[in-house]
Amino acid sequence: GAVVSQHPSRVICKSGTSVKIECRSLDFQATTMFWYRQFPKKSLMLMATSNEGSKATYEQGVEKDKFLINHASLTLSTLTVTSAHPEDSSFYICSAPTSGDGTQYFGPGTRLLVL
Amino acid sequence: QKEVEQNSGPLSVPEGAIASLNCTYSDRGSQSFFWYRQYSGKSPELIMSIYSNGDKEDGRFTAQLNKASQYVSLLIRDSQPSDSATYLCAVSTGGYQKVTFGTGTKLQVIP
Repeated sequence: GAVVSQHPSRVICKSGTSVKIECRSLDFQATTMFWYRQFPKKSLMLMATSNEGSKATYEQGVEKDKFLINHASLTLSTLTVTSAHPEDSSFYICSAPTSGDGTQYFGPGTRLLVL
Repeated sequence: QKEVEQNSGPLSVPEGAIASLNCTYSDRGSQSFFWYRQYSGKSPELIMSIYSNGDKEDGRFTAQLNKASQYVSLLIRDSQPSDSATYLCAVSTGGYQKVTFGTGTKLQVIP
């Protein structure tokens, strides 16, 4: 299957700082990528759809000014958690579709801990 | 009504048995159906995709789709302890549209 990477895999930061998470499609181009968050023992929650060359589409209830998304190229999308607070601590996962049938491949995820 | 519904489990089966995981969806326009496996602390990995009515087999896994009943299932034959994970059902209306995930069913295979 297709390969999607994420960096960093784990990050610990102080409250009030910003954290950038990178998502890369390594062997294919992705005009669209998706960002999810997952709390312990809970289901995936779609946060936003990242679109190359245009603004991201955010799901209801997700603050676009807090979770900044930039799809800089056909292989890179970034999620920046601004002014992070302890409640932002979560597992953040990106995915990218490889074909027109909806098949998505997930990155390995980034575990964020805000102290 | 949730768009994609799964029983949260846990579903416990003995090693070597058949595990049957079920999923229903609400959008009749759905075209693509997926099963993902997620181990604790890891991201989901694609197991199977199915697009037309009937069965699709891949090794020990069989996906079944019934669009009339809006039902998709995953059978795991000869279940192994390493199959213990949460299984996510996902549905797409096609294209590069977002995929809707169910909440997942936790499977426990007892040695």
